[in-house]
Amino acid sequence: AQKITQTQPGMFVQEKEAVTLDCTYDTSDPSYGLFWYKQPSSGEMIFLIYQGSYDQQNATEGRYSLNFQKARKSANLVISASQLGDSAMYFCAMRPDSNYQLIWGAGTKLIIKP
Amino acid sequence: DTGVSQNPRHKITKRGQNVTFRCDPISEHNRLYWYRQTLGQGPEFLTYFQNEAQLEKSRLLSDRFSAERPKGSFSTLEIQRTEQGDSAMYLCASSGFGAMNTEAFFGQGTRLTVV
Repeated sequence: AQKITQTQPGMFVQEKEAVTLDCTYDTSDPSYGLFWYKQPSSGEMIFLIYQGSYDQQNATEGRYSLNFQKARKSANLVISASQLGDSAMYFCAMRPDSNYQLIWGAGTKLIIKP
Repeated sequence: DTGVSQNPRHKITKRGQNVTFRCDPISEHNRLYWYRQTLGQGPEFLTYFQNEAQLEKSRLLSDRFSAERPKGSFSTLEIQRTEQGDSAMYLCASSGFGAMNTEAFFGQGTRLTVV
């Protein structure tokens, strides 16, 4: 079965601190991609970062980095120096190369406190 | 490039009515996806187009749902005889040529409320 698990329904973090959002996945496909999206209250899904299953290095995009541990099937998102504008829902998603669809986790609601 | 555009942003309809949503993808993107998202959940895949061909359709999609992408440009999603359980956010996304695992860009969604 293909599945994404996000175990943190909600998190409160102090502004300027780093935050790690957890994501584990399950797939039997040898090749797949992992994605993180941000969904603010306006509803739009905003792409943050991508990690390919065969990528040797962890992906980074500005303040976002993906801690990819293939053997543990985890793909945690790390946000450095959090900002008030980071408050949103965060979704982890996976797409096996054998499939067209993204498989999504239930999301983590992140609230940054001033 | 204005990104993925969805219309309308909000739709309130009475149970039993038909509704149609439109999605205009990023112009050079050949792949288009529809997802449905209910409150507090992640999106669920509905259907996928590559150019004008509908290549995959979720088993979640009942016969009341139909999607088209004429000429491989914009797409429409129609729901016939709406039910209260159809109330959700309907998200459209598009992605470009190249490897399958390029990121998908999403529109702002159409929020449907069936009363």
